[in-house]
Amino acid sequence: GAVVSQHPSRVICKSGTSVKIECRSLDFQATTMFWYRQFPKKSLMLMATSNEGSKATYEQGVEKDKFLINHASLTLSTLTVTSAHPEDSSFYICSAVRPPAYEQYFGPGTRLTVT
Amino acid sequence: GNSVTQMEGPVTLSEEAFLTINCTYTATGYPSLFWYVQYPGEGLQLLLKATKADDKGSNKGFEATYRKETTSFHLEKGSVQVSDSAVYFCALSGGRDDKIIFGKGTRLHILP
Repeated sequence: GAVVSQHPSRVICKSGTSVKIECRSLDFQATTMFWYRQFPKKSLMLMATSNEGSKATYEQGVEKDKFLINHASLTLSTLTVTSAHPEDSSFYICSAVRPPAYEQYFGPGTRLTVT
Repeated sequence: GNSVTQMEGPVTLSEEAFLTINCTYTATGYPSLFWYVQYPGEGLQLLLKATKADDKGSNKGFEATYRKETTSFHLEKGSVQVSDSAVYFCALSGGRDDKIIFGKGTRLHILP
């Protein structure tokens, strides 16, 4: 089956620093990738839609200058959390849309802890 | 807008018990419906899906039927196992490249 990877799986950073999370589709090209955030014991909240070669579309309430998304190629999207604060600590999950059935495949997630 | 409502958890059952997790949805048009499962410490996995009314999705002994008349997609399993302990998410999607809307998730504990 289709595989989506995320790197790193866990990261701890200090308040004020920036962290980059990578999402890769390993065996297919994904024109669209999604970034989600999951709070403890809560559902997934869609943050943004990432399309290759164009600017990401952010959901209402998500700061685009804080959560920078770059869809550099058909197999790679990156999420950069800029000037991270403790409240940004969360589980970040990406998904990639695989044609022709346009199913979404999810990455294993990245746990970010900001100290 | 589109939304998904699923039963609150946690749900605790004994092994071999019958499981039902209710899910209802609100959507325009004809969405696709999904159940995802998240095992402890792991990412989301697609458990089953249905793309049109009266379709039944099934996998690993789990089943769910797309009921348009009741806008429901309840998850059932006849005999649960300890290994089924996880969080289950009901979800819908409007179609190609469309975002997935998730329910809040239901945590399931199966006791041996």
